[in-house]
Amino acid sequence: GAGVSQTPSNKVTEKGKYVELRCDPISGHTALYWYRQSLGQGPEFLIYFQGTGAADDSGLPNDRFFAVRPEGSVSTLKIQRTERGDSAVYLCASSLSVGGLTDTQYFGPGTRLTVL
Amino acid sequence: KQEVTQIPAALSVPEGENLVLNCSFTDSAIYNLQWFRQDPGKGLTSLLLIQSSQREQTSGRLNASLDKSSGRSTLYIAASQPGDSATYLCAPQLRGGSEKLVFGKGMKLTVNP
Repeated sequence: GAGVSQTPSNKVTEKGKYVELRCDPISGHTALYWYRQSLGQGPEFLIYFQGTGAADDSGLPNDRFFAVRPEGSVSTLKIQRTERGDSAVYLCASSLSVGGLTDTQYFGPGTRLTVL
Repeated sequence: KQEVTQIPAALSVPEGENLVLNCSFTDSAIYNLQWFRQDPGKGLTSLLLIQSSQREQTSGRLNASLDKSSGRSTLYIAASQPGDSATYLCAPQLRGGSEKLVFGKGMKLTVNP
């Protein structure tokens, strides 16, 4: 079956612009995560959705970052007034997470964001 | 705060060697621990998930062990091949509400033919 998909694969924008990054999780997966990976580092957690609600947004760096998952499937990560320091690969993952049990997180290929 | 360390940061070996990749973490209150590989410019591929109640998990040439009380996990790769070249990351999943994974910087493995 299809894995996690992310669009676009690459996004180049100018400082101060607004961007949206999209994630399509594996069908039926209720849990969805966003991570950010800077060059030479491991991924860092941003936000976790269980269904439509953000269960943990403690990793969002500031109020320029926002994410939604209105129908409990596709999620969009939104970044306002982008800064050069936002340049990174943004990774999305999903897992089955049924009944509170933890499960394998499956990652998408990522969106490489470059802010000029 | 959970911190994850993988030492060494890079390893270069000849083909055919049996490898041991080490991972240490500071907070033992975890649900499970996942091992991933990441190829250059790609996303993460899940290799193994080992539950906190387990001590070992195997998949093909890979074997992961977990010693939760000492905050250590080890990934064994048998009979390494050039195709195993990648960055390997371990990530414990925290207890206490959030299901986030916490990553270290990973270990870059090069298997030379």
